[in-house]
Amino acid sequence: EIVLTQSPGTLSLSPGERATLSCRASQSVSSSYLAWYQQKAGQAPRLLIYGASRRATGIPDRFSGSGSGTDFTLTISRLEPEDFAVYYCQQYGSSYLFGPGTKVDIK
Amino acid sequence: QVQLVQSGAEVKKPGSSVKVSCKASGDTFSSYSISWVRQAPGQGLEWMGRIIPIFGSANYAQKFQGRVTITADESTYTAYMELTSLRSEDTAVYYCARGRLGWDAAFDIWGQGTMVTVSS
Repeated sequence: EIVLTQSPGTLSLSPGERATLSCRASQSVSSSYLAWYQQKAGQAPRLLIYGASRRATGIPDRFSGSGSGTDFTLTISRLEPEDFAVYYCQQYGSSYLFGPGTKVDIK
Repeated sequence: QVQLVQSGAEVKKPGSSVKVSCKASGDTFSSYSISWVRQAPGQGLEWMGRIIPIFGSANYAQKFQGRVTITADESTYTAYMELTSLRSEDTAVYYCARGRLGWDAAFDIWGQGTMVTVSS
């Protein structure tokens, strides 16, 4: 059974800075079936990235995903005030599994 | 605009059951799967199971096997998640989310969430 690990647990940054979030799988994720979601307090998750690197509809291009196999990265090139939230990675393809999340908060 | 609209908050006693609904648009019901994901207070996301409404077939996460039943009513475009033998640890927000017929897609549309509180 695949286990997803996200790091860091919390990332403290200032608006305008670059955020780099990591998601590591205990086994290779087939066909790059890896997604990223953003969740703000009191809201449902929102799909940002699927297929490891494809932006979902309406997602700004400051969000980008990369990686394959067991190591994946979500990058936010310049943090906007609305980007401070919790980010989850998800593996899909045979079942669904979420990582524990990374909180991006204001420094 | 595609939406998933869920039923309202519930308060239940330990040992009882809860049934949460998720109403979708017609094309969502005919061409997609509906999954249920829960989130305990301050915790992460946990996939519970899914249904393909046009086939009526459901799959469940091992953790919830025997305690959760996911069904769909094609006449009202509504999916349901019933959880039995409730305990305090089941206190959570329950979300429905749209996926594809296969397992090869992420969840692109989410319901607004339903808070279920289990308390004596």
